[in-house]
Amino acid sequence: AQSVTQPDIHITVSEGASLELRCNYSYGATPYLFWYVQSPGQGLQLLLKYFSGDTLVQGIKGFEAEFKRSQSSFNLRKPSVHWSDAAEYFCAVDNTLNDYKLSFGAGTTVTVRA
Amino acid sequence: DAGVTQSPTHLIKTRGQQVTLRCSPKSGHDTVSWYQQALGQGPQFIFQYYEEEERQRGNFPDRFSGHQFPNYSSELNVNALLLGDSALYLCASSDVTQTAKLFFGSGTQLSVL
Repeated sequence: AQSVTQPDIHITVSEGASLELRCNYSYGATPYLFWYVQSPGQGLQLLLKYFSGDTLVQGIKGFEAEFKRSQSSFNLRKPSVHWSDAAEYFCAVDNTLNDYKLSFGAGTTVTVRA
Repeated sequence: DAGVTQSPTHLIKTRGQQVTLRCSPKSGHDTVSWYQQALGQGPQFIFQYYEEEERQRGNFPDRFSGHQFPNYSSELNVNALLLGDSALYLCASSDVTQTAKLFFGSGTQLSVL
């Protein structure tokens, strides 16, 4: 079964600084990978997804992620963080597009300091 | 266009009781999935409904059951509640013709005392 590991439980970053959130997956074939964001009291919002093709994926809110098969990673990045980016971020994997049966990591909480 | 709506937003129950959570999918969506998010963890897939039938199921006991109605709305039922069932329950809807475009509701926070 596929699984996702997010090594960082909590990251604190200064406003305007860059952000990188790590995600490692365990799956034999090329998985379908997703990043979601969850603000307090809100549901999950899709930031970006990777299915195939270009390994650098652009998403909403200025986020991007890079798929690296050799490292089984799909790290999320943002060049300049805004205070509104404070939230919890989840990496997820799906082994088939038709299932919508996502396996989520435990999440990384991002705190933005002024 | 309303997104995915869930009710109630908060619920307090005691051990052994039964609970029903409700979900209305986004307009045009025909598939509903339910996830359980325990405190400090990522969401875990419970099951998915399409055409009023359970299509996929995660590793949850039979105490967790569901239903989908002809208007595509869905219910999640949990019987014989345990303290460990305390969690945020998320509903997500999708259109079977569109790949991997899940829309999540804000969830129902269930506390079992």
